[in-house]
Amino acid sequence: EVQLVESGGGLVQPGGSLRLSCTVSGFPFSTYWMSWFRQAPGKGLEWVANIKQDGSEKYYLDSVKGRFTISRDNAENSLYLQMNSLRAEDAAVYYCATNSIGFFDSWGQGTLVTVSS
Amino acid sequence: QSVLTQPPSVSAAPGQKVTISCSGSSSNIGNNYVSWYQQLPGTAPKLLIHENNKRPSGIPDRFSGSKSGTSATLGITGLQTGDEADYYCGTWDTSLSAGVFGGGTKLTVL
Repeated sequence: EVQLVESGGGLVQPGGSLRLSCTVSGFPFSTYWMSWFRQAPGKGLEWVANIKQDGSEKYYLDSVKGRFTISRDNAENSLYLQMNSLRAEDAAVYYCATNSIGFFDSWGQGTLVTVSS
Repeated sequence: QSVLTQPPSVSAAPGQKVTISCSGSSSNIGNNYVSWYQQLPGTAPKLLIHENNKRPSGIPDRFSGSKSGTSATLGITGLQTGDEADYYCGTWDTSLSAGVFGGGTKLTVL
């Protein structure tokens, strides 16, 4: 069974940092591109970033470039999102997902990030 | 403001058919595959359609997808109350080098 489990969310002050993790099982993680998404309360889905199988290519949403870093550890079957200089508008549920060619087939249950003083 | 444009809401009676449109441009829908996602209240999104019109295993054939030019459409036939959810279209934008989604369409089965 394919499973993706996000963790690391929580309450952080504006300007602070958080590192999200996504631990996967049930499929060959090292063969998939992976993506992070977010969904602010009551809002739509927003793609945040993705990373190639070997980590050699990464792409980001414009509003997070220079602040967020996506990475992965294929030996640990884990995906990460380092989030720095957090803003109120970054508050959302963050999802990780497998990224096949042009679509996102398996999703985690999400982890909530709250940015507030 | 989302890169892809969807109607905010659609509704229809049980057993009827509904379509949800998704409009983009040549840099996204026009030159890339479109996928569709269903998000039931309080849950993670679920892939419904990929590569414009392909259904993953387990998705009933009541759900269909099509694409023409810079627009795509999700069709749902034989509506059930359990289909009440938010539906999102998504694709890659070659100019932005980013994934892009529509703002979502809330389906109400009256």
